[in-house]
Amino acid sequence: EAQVTQNPRYLITVTGKKLTVTCSQNMNHEYMSWYRQDPGLGLRQIYYSMNVEVTDKGDVPEGYKVSRKEKRNFPLILESPSPNQTSLYFCASKQNDVAGANVLTFGAGSRLTVL
Amino acid sequence: SQQGEEDPQALSIQEGENATMNCSYKTSINNLQWYRQNSGRGLVHLILIRSNEREKHSGRLRVTLDTSKKSSSLLITASRAADTASYFCATGSSNTGKLIFGQGTTLQVKP
Repeated sequence: EAQVTQNPRYLITVTGKKLTVTCSQNMNHEYMSWYRQDPGLGLRQIYYSMNVEVTDKGDVPEGYKVSRKEKRNFPLILESPSPNQTSLYFCASKQNDVAGANVLTFGAGSRLTVL
Repeated sequence: SQQGEEDPQALSIQEGENATMNCSYKTSINNLQWYRQNSGRGLVHLILIRSNEREKHSGRLRVTLDTSKKSSSLLITASRAADTASYFCATGSSNTGKLIFGQGTTLQVKP
């Protein structure tokens, strides 16, 4: 089944304790992206990657890191989490396309609480 | 940056009624997409309309696009309780491959 898999789905952690949220897709998509969703703010893009070894900042990259060493994986790293990073996180992927009309496939989400 | 703005923010209707949601955007687009999100779950793609199209149908969904007004609407006909969800528009740029999402409309369909 074509899918985007995120782990963990739920996590409660404490301020300053480094954590990684993994994301893997099995559709051979070039483009991958991380979003966070907060009440009243919609989905905001954190980082995206057009292909392996290519990553770019989205709208809210502060406090996050990503890497794209393999096509299928795009982990999100919080080096020193803070309470304002408490949120629902989504990974998504799609094919690149010159018309920019490809559809995103989303993971099920990772709910993170930072105490 | 938020590109699409949905209106209304929340909508409550009875089963069987039609639901209309609107989306406005600011810059030129290549395409506009609508996604659905059940509470706390990942978004699922519903329909895509290209900038050179004016209307598109998919089952009970009808999407219109007016590029002169920079707006789109999503109509769900004969709504069902299972249509209860949040609906997001997203605009696509061919330059970056990015999709920019609006804040969504929360639809409640009462049985």
